[in-house]
Formats: sequence, structure tokens, C-alpha cells
Amino acid sequence: GAVVSQHPSRVICKSGTSVKIECRSLDFQATTMFWYRQFPKQSLMLMATSNEGSKATYEQGVEKDKFLINHASLTLSTLTVTSAHPEDSSFYICSARSGGDNEIFGPGTRLTVL
Amino acid sequence: KQEVTQIPAALSVPEGENLVLNCSFTDSAIYNLQWFRQDPGKGLTSLLLIQSSQREQTSGRLNASLDKSSGRSTLYIAASQPGDSATYLCAVSGGATNKLIFGTGTLLAVQP
Repeated sequence: GAVVSQHPSRVICKSGTSVKIECRSLDFQATTMFWYRQFPKQSLMLMATSNEGSKATYEQGVEKDKFLINHASLTLSTLTVTSAHPEDSSFYICSARSGGDNEIFGPGTRLTVL
Repeated sequence: KQEVTQIPAALSVPEGENLVLNCSFTDSAIYNLQWFRQDPGKGLTSLLLIQSSQREQTSGRLNASLDKSSGRSTLYIAASQPGDSATYLCAVSGGATNKLIFGTGTLLAVQP
């Protein structure tokens, strides 16, 4: 079946540094990828939608200059958290859709900013 | 604005019990509804997807129902097992972009 991977699975960084998270669709082409954030004991909140070859669409309240999204190919989207701060510590999950109904979710990336 | 609520927030049952998880949504104009399972620190596993025109879907010991007009869905788990312990999330999609709106989740613990 369709699989989505994320790398890294967990990352710890110092405040002020930038962190890049990769999301890959392994055996299908994803025209659309989604990035979610999940704080402890809370549900998933959509951050942005990225379509291959075009700019991402950000949800209200999400800073596009802080969370840079690149969807350069049909199998890869990246999320870069720039100048990370402790409040950015969260579980980041991506998903991919190939044009049908289903979103296939990645395993998530745990970001801890010290 | 679509809001999705799940009740209860947490549930603990002995092994073997049948149980029902509830999901409600405020805007009935949905495209579909999905139930997901999330293990601690992990991503999401899709369990069941119900199209807006459907009333229910079944997979093994799981049965999900959808009453779109009343904005409700239930996930029925038969003969629960300790391996069913996880957080269960429901999500609805709809609108022009078909984005998923997630509920707050139900944390299920099945005691051996």
C-alpha cells in the first residue's frame, strides 16, 4: 500500500536554529501534501497545504516566514522551522494525497527546541 | 467554521467489552468522515472512511456509523483487546479544499 515517510523521526535543537523536516511519498506521486502540528494531548491542527510546483497555502495564524514549505517534486515536501523557539516544540505530521480521497499520513517528527 | 468534538476524552474498559466512541461535528456539509488510530508518539493509521452518502462501514471488529443530518458518528469496537489501546481520532472533510478537520480524540485503555 501507499506509504509516507518522514525524516528525521525526532530532532533536538537549540533555540534560534533552523530545522528541516522531510516528507516523502515512497510508492506514489503526491500532488498535494499537508503539514500538521500536534501539541501534547491535543488533536492535529493543519498548518499548510502544499501543491507540487506552487506556493503553499497556510492556515490562519501560521506564519509563512517561520514555517517554510517546499514541494519541489511529486514525492518530496519539506518543512523548515526557522529560528526555532521552545514554543515550536511539537509533533509535526505530514500527509500526502495522490488525487483521490485518502490522505496517507507519515509517522511524524518530534521536535524539541531547547 | 467546522468544529469536531469527541466524547469521551478518555475511556478505560476491561478486555472483552464492546464499546462505543462518539464524534460530533457542527457543519453537516461534509464530503466524508474518517476514523483514525494513533499510538503514542506515532503517526495516524486510517481505520474506516465513510462517504457522505453512506451510513456505515465495517472492518473486522470495527463498525463506524454516520448520521450526517444530526452531525454524529460512532465507532463501535467489539470484543476489545489490550492491543486496541490507543487514541482514536475522527476527522471530517468538506468544503472547496477538502481539508481534514480533526476531533479532539478519545484515549482508550483496554485492561487485560
